[in-house]
Amino acid sequence: QKEVEQNSGPLSVPEGAIASLNCTYSDRGSQSFFWYRQYSGKSPELIMSIYSNGDKEDGRFTAQINKASQYVSLLIRDSQPSDSATYLCAVIDRYSTLTFGKGTMLLVSP
Amino acid sequence: GAVVSQHPSRVICKSGTSVKIECRSLDFQATTMFWYRQFPKKSLMLMATSNEGSKATYEQGVEKDKFLINHASLTLSTLTVTSAHPEDSSFYICSARSLAGRQETQYFGPGTRLLVL
Repeated sequence: QKEVEQNSGPLSVPEGAIASLNCTYSDRGSQSFFWYRQYSGKSPELIMSIYSNGDKEDGRFTAQINKASQYVSLLIRDSQPSDSATYLCAVIDRYSTLTFGKGTMLLVSP
Repeated sequence: GAVVSQHPSRVICKSGTSVKIECRSLDFQATTMFWYRQFPKKSLMLMATSNEGSKATYEQGVEKDKFLINHASLTLSTLTVTSAHPEDSSFYICSARSLAGRQETQYFGPGTRLLVL
């Protein structure tokens, strides 16, 4: 059973702080990794995709992969109340199956 | 990013009627699309994988005769909820697989909120 695990949260951070979201995956052969943001009542929106080991930065967001540890993270710098949402980690395994984690709720307080 | 549309965004119907939801990839071709259902405050649940030109693959527990999927072109997949009942009321979301530059990504449509009275 291929799994993607996330802490459901909520993760609460004050405005301006760094929010750190984490996810682990079970299939060592996984190739592609994604972070989606889902606001309440809306569909998921792709915010980061990363295909190789290491870091990828896009504005206030940094995604990190550690394939040896099978660990994916998303850092949000200078967190804003508008960042409050559920963040879904998703992984494509060696069989091209996309599996989502259950999501971590992030709450950024003003 | 790529754009996926869904129509309608919201539908209310009477119990026993059928409802068709369209999912379109607007700026790329998608040989594979996916249909999800999400209940309030719950996780996304994959219902089925829609493949252009072939039969859909349904997840365990999803009735294929109730949720009819057609993927007749590289940009359009439809989900028909047949003989809808109140328990089918949910948020239905499609996604489309993009293979631009050999890197696979899935983009979601905005979702369709179904209310069955």
